[in-house]
Amino acid sequence: DIVMTQSPDSLAVSLGERATINCKSSQSVLYSSNNKNYLAWYQQKPGQPPKLLIYWASTRESGVPDRFSGSGSGTDFTLTITSLQAEDVAVYYCQQYYRTPATFGQGTKLEIK
Amino acid sequence: EVQLVESGGVVVQPGGSLRLSCAASGFTFDDYAMHWVRQAPGKGLEWVSLITLDGGSTYYADSVRGRFTISRDSSKNSLYLQMNSLRVEDTALYYCTKDRDSGVYSDLLDYWGQGTLVTVSS
Repeated sequence: DIVMTQSPDSLAVSLGERATINCKSSQSVLYSSNNKNYLAWYQQKPGQPPKLLIYWASTRESGVPDRFSGSGSGTDFTLTITSLQAEDVAVYYCQQYYRTPATFGQGTKLEIK
Repeated sequence: EVQLVESGGVVVQPGGSLRLSCAASGFTFDDYAMHWVRQAPGKGLEWVSLITLDGGSTYYADSVRGRFTISRDSSKNSLYLQMNSLRVEDTALYYCTKDRDSGVYSDLLDYWGQGTLVTVSS
C-alpha cells in the first residue's frame, strides 16, 4: 500500500495569515500517461464528515474558495490556505487515489493562533 | 442534491455480526462505484471497501478482508456492509461515500454521509 505522511500534525495560524500543510507519498502518484497526480485533499470540521477540497493535486472542487490551493507533483504535495478564516479550523487529510486501496495521511489539525 | 444516509450502527460484542446500510439519493446510483470509509474515535480516515457500479467487483482493506462483505441493491438505491467476526479494533464511525467518477471507479470520494457508529465492546 502507498503510505501518506503529512506534516505537521498540528498547526496554529493567525487569522488572515497563510497556512501550509505538506503531504508526502511513499511512491509517486503521478501517472505518466496523462501527467496527472492522483492526490486529493479533504477538510473535516468538528462533528462533520470529510469534504473534498482539491483533486488532481491542484484542482479545486466546485464551490471551494480560491484561498485554498494545492501544489506539488510525484511524491511531495502542499495544501496552502491564504488569508486564514475562522471557518477554516478543521483537520485536513491528503489521500492518494493512484492505486487501490486508497490511503490517507494521518491528518493535520489547523487551529487559530 | 446528493444524500447518503447510513444506518445500522449499534453496540455489539466481539465476535458478533452487524449489517450497515446506506440509502442513496440525488444521483443515478447505478452509474457510480461506492465505498465505505471508517474513522475510529479521535483517529484518522481508513478506507474499508469498494464495490463497482454493477456490483461485479469488490475490494477490501487487508484489515477486514474475509470478515466484511460489501454489496449493493440498485432496486433500492442502497449500499450495504455485512460485518462478521467483529473485533474491538473495528470500533469506528462508518461513512458511506460516493466515487466521483461515473463508470470506472477512481477512488476519489466526492460525497460522504454523516456516518453510523459501530462500537465493539464486551
